[in-house]
Amino acid sequence: DAKTTQPNSMESNEEEPVHLPCNHSTISGTDYIHWYRQLPSQGPEYVIHGLTSNVNNRMASLAIAEDRKSSTLILHRATLRDAAVYYCILRDPRDDKIIFGKGTRLHILP
Amino acid sequence: DAGVIQSPRHEVTEMGQEVTLRCKPISGHDYLFWYRQTMMRGLELLIYFNNNVPIDDSGMPEDRFSAKMPNASFSTLKIQPSEPRDSAVYFCASSYIVGGLEKLFFGSGTQLSVL
Repeated sequence: DAKTTQPNSMESNEEEPVHLPCNHSTISGTDYIHWYRQLPSQGPEYVIHGLTSNVNNRMASLAIAEDRKSSTLILHRATLRDAAVYYCILRDPRDDKIIFGKGTRLHILP
Repeated sequence: DAGVIQSPRHEVTEMGQEVTLRCKPISGHDYLFWYRQTMMRGLELLIYFNNNVPIDDSGMPEDRFSAKMPNASFSTLKIQPSEPRDSAVYFCASSYIVGGLEKLFFGSGTQLSVL
């Protein structure tokens, strides 16, 4: 399985943008980049996914490097409710499984 | 839709007892996954089903663990006999195909403590 590398933890101030990095230098041409997050005492929830182009939805934006070896999840204006563990995952559409790594624990400072 | 429903929310049992965790997936979803989460090992995929059929159980730790999906609306994960090292949060998730990719929807989990 292609691997992702994320910082263990990050801090950000409330109401400021947050950029969560993910390195995936061994990504294959068919791998999609997925992001999930896990709020305290809850199961993970889907955030966003993309293949080559940048993507936006109501929760976040995903910026994908031109060589696809890295990506960044962008929370445009962090709130205290965004404090969570954020997981960057590579998905081969031929494989049904989603394997989670350690993720990045995001702390939001009021 | 109520989302993925897991029961019980918390389970405390003694070593050697049988434990059964339950999951009701979202209606219409054709994939069901069981995960286990601990501080040491993070989120581990135990087993998953497609259209009620087990597809990959390579993550099941040992024969003490078994999972069934008798119909599209119900799945169980059973541990017999339970051991203290089985203490963890167990999550059930379901998904549907979106352009060849699944989006997982997780339940709230079952916090299992084996004393």
